[in-house]
Order: sequence, then C-alpha cells, then structure tokens
Amino acid sequence: EADIYQTPRYLVIGTGKKITLECSQTMGHDKMYWYQQDPGMELHLIHYSYGVNSTEKGDLSSESTVSRIRTEHFPLTLESARPSHTSQYLCASSEWGDGSSNSPLHFGNGTRLTVT
Amino acid sequence: AQSVTQLGSHVSVSEGALVLLRCNYSSSVPPYLFWYVQYPNQGLQLLLKYTTGATLVKGINGFEAEFKKSETSFHLTKPSAHMSDAAEYFCAVRENSGGSNYKLTFGKGTLLTVNP
Repeated sequence: EADIYQTPRYLVIGTGKKITLECSQTMGHDKMYWYQQDPGMELHLIHYSYGVNSTEKGDLSSESTVSRIRTEHFPLTLESARPSHTSQYLCASSEWGDGSSNSPLHFGNGTRLTVT
Repeated sequence: AQSVTQLGSHVSVSEGALVLLRCNYSSSVPPYLFWYVQYPNQGLQLLLKYTTGATLVKGINGFEAEFKKSETSFHLTKPSAHMSDAAEYFCAVRENSGGSNYKLTFGKGTLLTVNP
C-alpha cells in the first residue's frame, strides 16, 4: 500500500505551460528524490533533498526546479514545458540513516507527462 | 563511478520455468545492491537487497539473488515463474563509501513476460 502519493497520474499539456507535479509522503522520511524514467532507459536522478529547505541537483541535468518547505511535500515545477520534457516522473523517499539496509527507496506510482 | 548493466532488455519464460535476470555492476568500493520490480502503471518496489553478510539474499514473492564479488554480478532468480511475476525488473547499486551518498544508480531494466 502506497504511502507516497503523486498527482496527477497523467498530464497532457501544451508547450509553454507552467506545470507542477505533486509528491507527498506520510512516512516522515527526510530524504526525497525525483527520478525521470523513459522506456528502455535507466532511471535518472534529477533532484533530491536531505530535508526541509535542502534541495540538490541530481545526475541528469533538468530544467525543472523543486522545493522542500515541508517534510512531507516535494513538488517539481517546470516553468515552461516543452516536448522534450515528455517522460515519466517518479518521486521516492527514504529514511535518514546509512541509506541502505534500513532505508530502501519507497516510490510513488509516477506522473506520466506528455507535452504537445 | 558506478554503473549497472542488465543483460537482456526482455526475457520471456513459460509459467513454471526458471527465471534468471542478469545484472552486472561496476563500483570502485564495496557496493550495496538492490533489485526493484515495477508492475504496469505503478512505481518501483523493493524486491530484495544485499548490503553485507550472506551473499545469497531472499526477497519477496520467492525471488532470490546472489552477490558474486569475483564476477561483479547480482543475478536474480526464481525457481518457478508465475503469471503474476510479469513486470519490469531493475537492478541498482549504491556505493558503500559511507558519508551521505544515498544516490542509487539503476540499470535499464528487464521486462519479464510469462507465457501460460
């Protein structure tokens, strides 16, 4: 049962529009992540956060931005959507700790974004 | 730098047959290794993980994987495939270098289909 929620599940939007993808978790996790997933490709980390008021760029350059004003909320914003932003965006969270044995990633169900 | 190679983007087996999904990694330090499963239209969920200790790890749904350092491999197996195993499987690695490196590197995924 998911404790991390992403909305919307699907979004089709025109070029140039501003969009925000929502991600919320109820587990009290400090660390949160945004991954971009394309068919047949690795998941690429685009943003992560260690906690409130902490945000970092991931391994894959992205024109999106994120904010972390509350522990449970980690929205991703695109100021001006383009067709190249068409992808699936997965949000995840994990507990603070050594990041491994007791802190697997918990994923949301994703937002599939299509920019026309 | 770390990387993950999953051999075979698509594996097809018959129901009741052995499932073998291959994963090789490269890491400059001892790794933490993970397998995640993604069912259609869902996020990823943790199947099993290797951190330290026993090199044969058991996960959910009857899956297991063996860490072989000499082969830099972490192949996923299940003795008898079930229709419900049809999904995409992702291998991931995180370097065990201490500190606060929580980032996972994912492979490109292997789509498993199970034929009746």
